[in-house]
Amino acid sequence: DQQVKQNSPSLSVQEGRISILNCDYTNSMFDYFLWYKKYPAEGPTFLISISSIKDKNEDGRFTVFLNKSAKHLSLHIVPSQPGDSAVYFCAASPPYNQGGKLIFGQGTELSVKP
Amino acid sequence: DAGITQSPRHKVTETGTPVTLRCHQTENHRYMYWYRQDPGHGLRLIHYSYGVKDTDKGEVSDGYSVSRSKTEDFLLTLESATSSQTSVYFCAISEPMVGAYEQYFGPGTRLTVT
Repeated sequence: DQQVKQNSPSLSVQEGRISILNCDYTNSMFDYFLWYKKYPAEGPTFLISISSIKDKNEDGRFTVFLNKSAKHLSLHIVPSQPGDSAVYFCAASPPYNQGGKLIFGQGTELSVKP
Repeated sequence: DAGITQSPRHKVTETGTPVTLRCHQTENHRYMYWYRQDPGHGLRLIHYSYGVKDTDKGEVSDGYSVSRSKTEDFLLTLESATSSQTSVYFCAISEPMVGAYEQYFGPGTRLTVT
């Protein structure tokens, strides 16, 4: 049973436009959410995070929005650049997280066309 | 970048043979994790460690064992490799605190079981 879902396997966007990547979760007790970026043949790299006490966190071109009532988070990239082309994973921290574990979504492959 | 290395980076092995993957960190982080990445499944936790000789199972632990005899090294062993264990394996490290659960990943090991 997938607790964190990324329903779009792929997304294609024109350079300079906004990219919006979506993620849904099932457990309302998740209290911390993260986005990772992964290039081919490399490990995932941490991009941005948000605590459940906030509804928005911004870092440069990247903004994460959290809608707790809908159990939905999204990552906005503005403006999109060709170097943003990668697979993006969302992740959630389960409640009572003694082991620092994360639950990951399936990933969305973003392609930014020049 | 966090100091995390994985060895080997690529391995081809035959069904039924034992395989050990190594993760080495220079960050002195207490927590270490092994994940596998497969298409359509994202990153799934195999085992994790919260200290020397302290380990616990993750979501997909069957067929895998781990050991951690030093803070800096976390070994993943496939006792008798099967074709279903063909995957890309990632190690991650963390020093989780309440409200901060970022994990940092190694470059990955691509394992093919023939």
